[in-house]
Amino acid sequence: AQTVTQSQPEMSVQEAETVTLSCTYDTSESNYYLFWYKQPPSRQMILVIRQEAYKQQNATENRFSVNFQKAAKSFSLKISDSQLGDTAMYFCALRSGGSNYKLTFGKGTLLTVNP
Amino acid sequence: DAGVIQSPRHEVTEMGQEVTLRCKPISGHDYLFWYRQTMMRGLELLIYFNNNVPIDDSGMPEDRFSAKMPNASFSTLKIQPSEPRDSAVYFCASSSQGSLYEQYFGPGTRLTVT
Repeated sequence: AQTVTQSQPEMSVQEAETVTLSCTYDTSESNYYLFWYKQPPSRQMILVIRQEAYKQQNATENRFSVNFQKAAKSFSLKISDSQLGDTAMYFCALRSGGSNYKLTFGKGTLLTVNP
Repeated sequence: DAGVIQSPRHEVTEMGQEVTLRCKPISGHDYLFWYRQTMMRGLELLIYFNNNVPIDDSGMPEDRFSAKMPNASFSTLKIQPSEPRDSAVYFCASSSQGSLYEQYFGPGTRLTVT
């Protein structure tokens, strides 16, 4: 069975600073995909960033980047230059690379960006 | 593209009533997923379809829940009879090989059963 663990239920950061959200996972698959989703108060789930397990290079999307440590099964999200609009729940998710397209989600981290 | 469309956005019903949630996936997407989100259990996959065929319904909580996808552009999730513990936000998501299997979520339906 696949599991995703987010050990930080809540975090806060000052506007313009950098924050890192943690995620660890467990899977027996050799090929898989990792995702970070953002859920603002509007409740809409928005894909932030994706990482393929076979790629060693860490994914980056503008102010968002990941630190993917495959051996440690760790997948943290770094948000640089935090903005008020980054305030949201952030979910880490895992999908195997085979024919099963199930996403397994962590419990989420509530990030608050303070002015 | 309009994205994944769900209706209604909010539903309040009494225990014992039938509830039907609706979803229109992104055009061209051949996978459709139904999730339930609660404070206690987080986000759970209920069922997913590929090319309108149910592939995995192991997350459907019990026989009161049923899902259908009569065509590529429409799916329903039905609860009959509804119970207060069914209160949750229900999300529909869709994906395709063209989107590298990334799932795109609808805005969700907040269901309250009194």
